[in-house]
Amino acid sequence: RKEVEQDPGPFNVPEGATVAFNCTYSNSASQSFFWYRQDCRKEPKLLMSVYSSGNEDGRFTAQLNRASQYISLLIRDSKLSDSATYLCVVIPPTSGTYKYIFGTGTRLKVLA
Amino acid sequence: GAVVSQHPSRVICKSGTSVKIECRSLDFQATTMFWYRQFPKQSLMLMATSNEGSKATYEQGVEKDKFLINHASLTLSTLTVTSAHPEDSSFYICSARTGTSGGQYNEQFFGPGTRLTVL
Repeated sequence: RKEVEQDPGPFNVPEGATVAFNCTYSNSASQSFFWYRQDCRKEPKLLMSVYSSGNEDGRFTAQLNRASQYISLLIRDSKLSDSATYLCVVIPPTSGTYKYIFGTGTRLKVLA
Repeated sequence: GAVVSQHPSRVICKSGTSVKIECRSLDFQATTMFWYRQFPKQSLMLMATSNEGSKATYEQGVEKDKFLINHASLTLSTLTVTSAHPEDSSFYICSARTGTSGGQYNEQFFGPGTRLTVL
C-alpha cells in the first residue's frame, strides 16, 4: 500500500459546481497534513494546512478523518482558475526530518 | 512570504555532461533543504534532504554519487547531476524549511523548479 494515495482523476466539473477530493494515508501516527495546488510545469503552492478540527478558507474546506485515515478537500462554487492538480501532503512520524510525502495528485478541470 | 529561487529554470545538455542546479532562499535562512524530482504525470518524489554544513541524506534508490548535493550555507544548496543521461530528464524542484523543530506549521517553501532535458 502506498503511503499516500489519491484518485488521479481528472475530475471534469462545470463552473459553479462543488467538488471534493479525498486522500488516504497509511501511517496512522502521521501528524501533519496539507493540500497543495500545482499548475502545469510549475512548483506546488500551499493551498491550506489541514487541522484536526477541520478548517475553511473561502471556498475551500479541508477535513481530517483520523479514524479512517484520510483527508479531504472540498471546493465550492468552482472557478475556471481552480483548474490544476491538487496534491495532498502527509508528514509521517520520522526521526526529525519532517519530510513531506506527496500523493500522486488529483487533476481538476473546471469547464465553462 | 518566504521566497525560494532556482537556477537555471531550464537546461538542455548532452548525455554524459554534468549539470548543476542552484537553490537559494532569498529572504530567510534555510536550515534544511529538500530536493525532489517529478516525472511527467507523476508526483514529486523526494530525492534527498540536506542540512547546512552536513552531508545530505538520500532516499532509498537515489544514487548519492550521481546526484551530488552541497548545502554550504543557510541560503544555498546545489544539486549536481553527474554524467547525465536521457533517463535523468525530469523536473527538479527544491524546497527550503526554516525551523529545526517539527510540527504542523513547519512549512516547506518551494522553488520554481528546473526542467532538465538530456539529449
